[in-house]
Amino acid sequence: KAGVTQTPRYLIKTRGQQVTLSCSPISGHRSVSWYQQTPGQGLQFLFEYFSETQRNKGNFPGRFSGRQFSNSRSEMNVSTLELGDSALYLCASSPEGAGELYEQYFGPGTRLTVT
Amino acid sequence: KQEVTQIPAALSVPEGENLVLNCSFTDSAIYNLQWFRQDPGKGLTSLLLIQSSQREQTSGRLNASLDKSSGRSTLYIAASQPGDSATYLCAVVNAGNMLTFGGGTRLMVKP
Repeated sequence: KAGVTQTPRYLIKTRGQQVTLSCSPISGHRSVSWYQQTPGQGLQFLFEYFSETQRNKGNFPGRFSGRQFSNSRSEMNVSTLELGDSALYLCASSPEGAGELYEQYFGPGTRLTVT
Repeated sequence: KQEVTQIPAALSVPEGENLVLNCSFTDSAIYNLQWFRQDPGKGLTSLLLIQSSQREQTSGRLNASLDKSSGRSTLYIAASQPGDSATYLCAVVNAGNMLTFGGGTRLMVKP
């Protein structure tokens, strides 16, 4: 089975621009979660999508948004980029979500640099 | 609010040593705890998942234990190898279906 894939792997953007990142979960997984990893804040939860609906949301500003398609693929969008948005963005998939029984499987991440 | 702490932040050991990584969490009402490995600039690789009803899980040279009542988990690595060098992260799941991560332990195993 193919793992979680994320595209692109690397991005360089300028302040004020917007960016869209993509995540394809493991086949059969319906939950996709997004995390931001920075040296200062570590790994922080952005949001989770399940069956095309946002089920949970972390404490991030509204500039961060996402969606999920009927094939479970997910995209996240960051508008009006700030220097502090430079980070490794990771997505994770699991069959039903991070409940008791389910492991979360992570993709390789997208490294976003904002200049 | 759940807080997860990992001690030590960094660890350097000679090859062949057995070692223990520690993880503590403040809210014991967790669904499960997961240990991950992260190589520099890469994504996370799941190592072990311990469900809330379990006390430990083993995979090869790795053994993870969970004590919910005291809010602690340990990851035991036997006979460490240079290839074990990486950052090890623990994460817990409470209600809300999200992982709360510790800051990680950066492990260096010297040949």
